Amino acid sequence: EPEVTQTPSHQVTQMGQEVILRCVPISNHLYFYWYRQILGQKVEFLVSFYNNEISEKSEIFDDQFSVERPDGSNFTLKIRSTKLEDSAMYFCASTPRGTSGLEQFFGPGTRLTVL
Amino acid sequence: RKEVEQDPGPFNVPEGATVAFNCTYSNSASQSFFWYRQDCRKEPKLLMSVYSSGNEDGRFTAQLNRASQYISLLIRDSKLSDSATYLCVVNGDSGAGSYQLTFGKGTKLSVIP
Repeated sequence: EPEVTQTPSHQVTQMGQEVILRCVPISNHLYFYWYRQILGQKVEFLVSFYNNEISEKSEIFDDQFSVERPDGSNFTLKIRSTKLEDSAMYFCASTPRGTSGLEQFFGPGTRLTVL
Repeated sequence: RKEVEQDPGPFNVPEGATVAFNCTYSNSASQSFFWYRQDCRKEPKLLMSVYSSGNEDGRFTAQLNRASQYISLLIRDSKLSDSATYLCVVNGDSGAGSYQLTFGKGTKLSVIP
């Protein structure tokens, strides 16, 4: 069964460092998303991406964040200068089309720890 | 502000019990509704979509009341494997064609032998 994959599974970094989280969405999917979940809190939307551009972003997704689809398979989230409060699970998700009733398929997540 | 509110839990129930979860959402423009399941430190996984007519999948029954902006999930004959956090999720086009998901905080269920 096709699945979304994410690397690394766990990233530890020092405050102020840049990190890149990587995702490989399901191959025939066209809409991509990043969500984050701070420990003990709800899953929160960060950004959606379609046709090589951001469709929508939340207030969390400030200038420190960027997304990119550098090739036909990868979808990345970059945090330019990490803060302690960026520590969270980051989930990538994808759907084949932009229709509200479709399931979003989530990757296993990257646990980011900022020290 | 779009919000999804759920029973705080946790729910600790014996095997075989019936348990019900409730959820309310604030955005009347929400278009689609789901229950996701999340195991500890894992990704959310779709349990079932929720339709206005109500729908059933085995031991799971979901109901939607659009007028009250209320969603429910009923689990019958609970199994140990049902232990997880159940996330109420809504989806709707905010106008940007994004269909972002808005999650509740989740209700934790522990099924006890």
